[in-house]
Amino acid sequence: SQTIHQWPATLVQPVGSPLSLECTVEGTSNPNLYWYRQAAGRGLQLLFYSVGIGQISSEVPQNLSASRPQDRQFILSSKKLLLSDSGFYLCAWNELAGTAYTGELFFGEGSRLTVL
Amino acid sequence: AQSVTQLGSHVSVSEGALVLLRCNYSSSVPPYLFWYVQYPNQGLQLLLKYTSAATLVKGINGFEAEFKKSETSFHLTKPSAHMSDAAEYFCASQMDSSYKLIFGSGTRLLVRP
Repeated sequence: SQTIHQWPATLVQPVGSPLSLECTVEGTSNPNLYWYRQAAGRGLQLLFYSVGIGQISSEVPQNLSASRPQDRQFILSSKKLLLSDSGFYLCAWNELAGTAYTGELFFGEGSRLTVL
Repeated sequence: AQSVTQLGSHVSVSEGALVLLRCNYSSSVPPYLFWYVQYPNQGLQLLLKYTSAATLVKGINGFEAEFKKSETSFHLTKPSAHMSDAAEYFCASQMDSSYKLIFGSGTRLLVRP
């Protein structure tokens, strides 16, 4: 069966420090990968998605970046964190489109980032 | 642009009462539709999904949702609320031409004893 792992689960960082959140998926090949952010009291905002190694699409301008160095690894980074980067970050995956594709996303457990 | 609207950021019901969480989508073509549940400090878990088969979809934990094209709605219901249903619920939509899911802003369900 497929599983998705995110780490770290909790992170407290000072303003201006770097960030690296990691996500890995097991039990599937060539998944679509996504990073969402959930700010307090708000819905989910899609930040990045990837349909393959090295292929990253950004949904909103920001000081965050994403990379996909391996098929099942997705990394969210920042060189200098801002206070507004605080939030709950969720990694997710779904299958590549095909005849049985129904699009549902499978989510990791999330990483809570607090920028002070 | 595709969008999902959830009416009511907070819904409060008594234990044993009917749960109704509203979701409307904007699309000219019936999309894939989903309901997810999120417990505090956890990821999202799929409750149910509509993929153009039956319009009444049954999910886990006794929840169900009905797709109504004429109303562009996909409301979530449960006949009798349980304390363990207290969580945040998200409706999401996906056009079959895109991999991306568009989420509503969420509805927090409170269940009173």
